[in-house]
Amino acid sequence: AQSVAQPEDQVNVAEGNPLTVKCTYSVSGNPYLFWYVQYPNRGLQFLLKYITGDNLVKGSYGFEAEFNKSQTSFHLKKPSALVSDSALYFCAVRDGLTGGGNKLTFGTGTQLKVEL
Amino acid sequence: DVKVTQSSRYLVKRTGEKVFLECVQDMDHENMFWYRQDPGLGLRLIYFSYDVKMKEKGDIPEGYSVSREKKERFSLILESTSTNQTSMYLCASSSGQGGYNEQFFGPGTRLTVL
Repeated sequence: AQSVAQPEDQVNVAEGNPLTVKCTYSVSGNPYLFWYVQYPNRGLQFLLKYITGDNLVKGSYGFEAEFNKSQTSFHLKKPSALVSDSALYFCAVRDGLTGGGNKLTFGTGTQLKVEL
Repeated sequence: DVKVTQSSRYLVKRTGEKVFLECVQDMDHENMFWYRQDPGLGLRLIYFSYDVKMKEKGDIPEGYSVSREKKERFSLILESTSTNQTSMYLCASSSGQGGYNEQFFGPGTRLTVL
């Protein structure tokens, strides 16, 4: 079984400060990891993914995420937050061992609030 | 750009009514998905399909059925709605079978069952 946890319901950060949104996962094989963002009244948008290779993955809008196998984590980061980054962020995982298409398991989401 | 469209943004139904939610994607994707999104629970997979006429149950299929007669179209059917089906419903599509590719989401349908 695959699962993902986002331990923080909400993260508050001042504009210009670095931000981190946490994600940990559990899978049987190698994980495929994704981050999505949801702006108010919109569907989810893909930010970045880790499949294999470099542990540091760069994505859209200046976001990056670090895959840490020993800590089973895939935290989302940005060096300097913008007010426009305020949104709901979802981490998702797929177990590389399972078949049946790319069925993802999503976390419960973390609301990011960036204030002036 | 991939476009995933959903037939309605908002729907209000009464308990016991039948509801069809339709999703169309324009990028020839093999895989299509239906999720529901509830506060504090994230996204939960209802059904998915990896080919025309193929379907597989997700994590919460009870009370739902699906239909995929054409590659670009994936319908979610609520045969007899109940109040606990009030939720945001999101459709998504993706290409390939290896699980490497990201899913593209529609704008969602907010269903309220009274």
